[in-house]
Amino acid sequence: GNSVTQMEGPVTLSEEAFLTINCTYTATGYPSLFWYVQYPGEGLQLLLKATKADDKGSNKGFEATYRKETTSFHLEKGSVQVSDSAVYFCALSEGGSTLGRLYFGRGTQLTVWP
Amino acid sequence: DTGVSQNPRHKITKRGQNVTFRCDPISEHNRLYWYRQTLGQGPEFLTYFQNEAQLEKSRLLSDRFSAERPKGSFSTLEIQRTEQGDSAMYLCASSLGLAGATDTQYFGPGTRLTVL
Repeated sequence: GNSVTQMEGPVTLSEEAFLTINCTYTATGYPSLFWYVQYPGEGLQLLLKATKADDKGSNKGFEATYRKETTSFHLEKGSVQVSDSAVYFCALSEGGSTLGRLYFGRGTQLTVWP
Repeated sequence: DTGVSQNPRHKITKRGQNVTFRCDPISEHNRLYWYRQTLGQGPEFLTYFQNEAQLEKSRLLSDRFSAERPKGSFSTLEIQRTEQGDSAMYLCASSLGLAGATDTQYFGPGTRLTVL
């Protein structure tokens, strides 16, 4: 079956620190991979995505590389800001298409202190 | 583009009552999805529509749940005989749903249901 495992939170960092949030997946076929972010009081927003192996998704200073050999899609940012405080969700859609239902991880709460 | 809207934003009901939620997708989006999110968990898929056709339902969607999208625009999700375990955030998402293209799901703010 399809599933996503994210590192447990919460994650607390100081401003300008390096961020990594681990995400691994189990899927049939070749999934597309996503990171969504949920800011306090807001709905889920797509942060970045990758649709095939070795693709790198990037947005707002965040990056994640689709690693088929390790079935991973870790989220990284070189220097976090207070405004990055949010819950981050890793997700996949099956079959190499971005169409269709999403399978989400449990989410990782990030808090950045000034 | 006003985004995906959901109403109501909050609903408190007593066990055994019926509730109905509404989702208005982004105009011209063919696909509409419903998810449920409980505290500390990621969203779980419930069902989705391609225009007015309901194409997939999760086993999470018991017989007490029904969803419709009668004209391929807005959708409703009804829960009959609510139980305390139904308390959750119900999320709606929409996407263009074009085959062969890169599709993105846009989420609404959710409806938070509390069953007393």
